Amino acid sequence: GAGVSQSPRYKVAKRGQDVALRCDPISGHVSLFWYQQALGQGPEFLTYFQNEAQLDKSGLPSDRFFAERPEGSVSTLKIQRTQQEDSAVYLCASSLGTEQYFGPGTRLTVT
Amino acid sequence: GIQVEQSPPDLILQEGANSTLRCNFSDSVNNLQWFHQNPWGQLINLFYIPSGTKQNGRLSATTVATERYSLLYISSSQTTDSGVYFCAVEYYNFNKFYFGSGTKLNVKP
Repeated sequence: GAGVSQSPRYKVAKRGQDVALRCDPISGHVSLFWYQQALGQGPEFLTYFQNEAQLDKSGLPSDRFFAERPEGSVSTLKIQRTQQEDSAVYLCASSLGTEQYFGPGTRLTVT
Repeated sequence: GIQVEQSPPDLILQEGANSTLRCNFSDSVNNLQWFHQNPWGQLINLFYIPSGTKQNGRLSATTVATERYSLLYISSSQTTDSGVYFCAVEYYNFNKFYFGSGTKLNVKP
């Protein structure tokens, strides 16, 4: 596609529910990144893939967060047993090696 | 530690005014980008500028890598320039961006 797409755009989850957030990167982009943006702050790194390999997951805040990119294109960020502090915008970005291009984000609200 | 500092945190301009936003970073960078986050949350690429100067219409940017800062210039501001401007840096050997806390710009008609 022309840009990075993410779905859903908005997600409301009850505390304790599991959620899955999808990212479709720009076609051919090898690198894929997930970031978390809390209200009023800059995005913070969560994890990085090169093709299907997850090379860095140092930013994942807990073992409730899990990301995958099994075929080296679409990626899914899964959050298990959601907590209120997980409420944020989750941004996906893709890159060919230099510039990163961001998707519109998924706004997650945990009630 | 790794730091990215942006100033000013907030900026109010009258339409037509010029402004300069600053980004200081704490180490040698492999990549530096400026983004505009619009009111809908979309991060829009403005410049990929690890060093040197670039211009795109009313916007220009300069990065002085040896002195660890970058500047974003907005000339003849318009109301559509409103939003948050982020500087993001990628340090050598780190495949991730570190973002500053942003400059929130409000351009009044």
